[in-house]
Amino acid sequence: EVQLVESGGGLVQPGGSLRLSCAASGFTFSSYSLNWVRQAPGKGLEWVSYIGSSSRTIYYADSVKGRFTISRDNAKNSLYLQMNSLRAEDTAVYYCAREGDYDRYFDLWGRGTLITVSS
Amino acid sequence: SYGLTQPPSVSVSPGQTASITCSGDKLGDKYAFWYQQKPGQSPVLVIYQHSKRPSGIPERFSGSKSGNTATLTISGTQALDEADYYCQAWDSSTAHVVFGGGTKLTVL
Repeated sequence: EVQLVESGGGLVQPGGSLRLSCAASGFTFSSYSLNWVRQAPGKGLEWVSYIGSSSRTIYYADSVKGRFTISRDNAKNSLYLQMNSLRAEDTAVYYCAREGDYDRYFDLWGRGTLITVSS
Repeated sequence: SYGLTQPPSVSVSPGQTASITCSGDKLGDKYAFWYQQKPGQSPVLVIYQHSKRPSGIPERFSGSKSGNTATLTISGTQALDEADYYCQAWDSSTAHVVFGGGTKLTVL
């Protein structure tokens, strides 16, 4: 089955760190660019970060640049998001999302993992 | 920074046509993409490159663009189409992806 499964969410204090993982299956992981997209409770979607298929190209939203680090391990079919200096406004469901073949859109989403930043 | 504007809510009667708009500067130069998200679920791509439907998406979903406004149209709207809909584009100058604020479609 073609799927993405996120893990690593939970409760963390402001200023703390957390590492999210996204395990892929059912497709050739190394051929696709991947992204993290988040959704705060009751709010809309917000793009967080992008990584190209070979990890040579990486982008971050201004809201997380300098605090979050995206990476991938093509041998393990896994995507990661290292989140440091977490703030209350980072509280959200974090989705990993695969980019489509033809453009920068997301044709496959995981079920998401909830990060709550609170003391 | 680049932004996309959607109406917060749209209401439609069952069987009628629902139209959800998405406007943004220079959207005329870009492709628009649309996602459906039902409560407690992940987003699902329903339209890509303005008007193409992924496999499995019903034909009643269609997309179009005129100038700087993209439109998602749902013909013969059904109760199961009630969801939040998001448009998306990307800014070529920054390579950042942008989402609209979302539109809650209510099927009355």
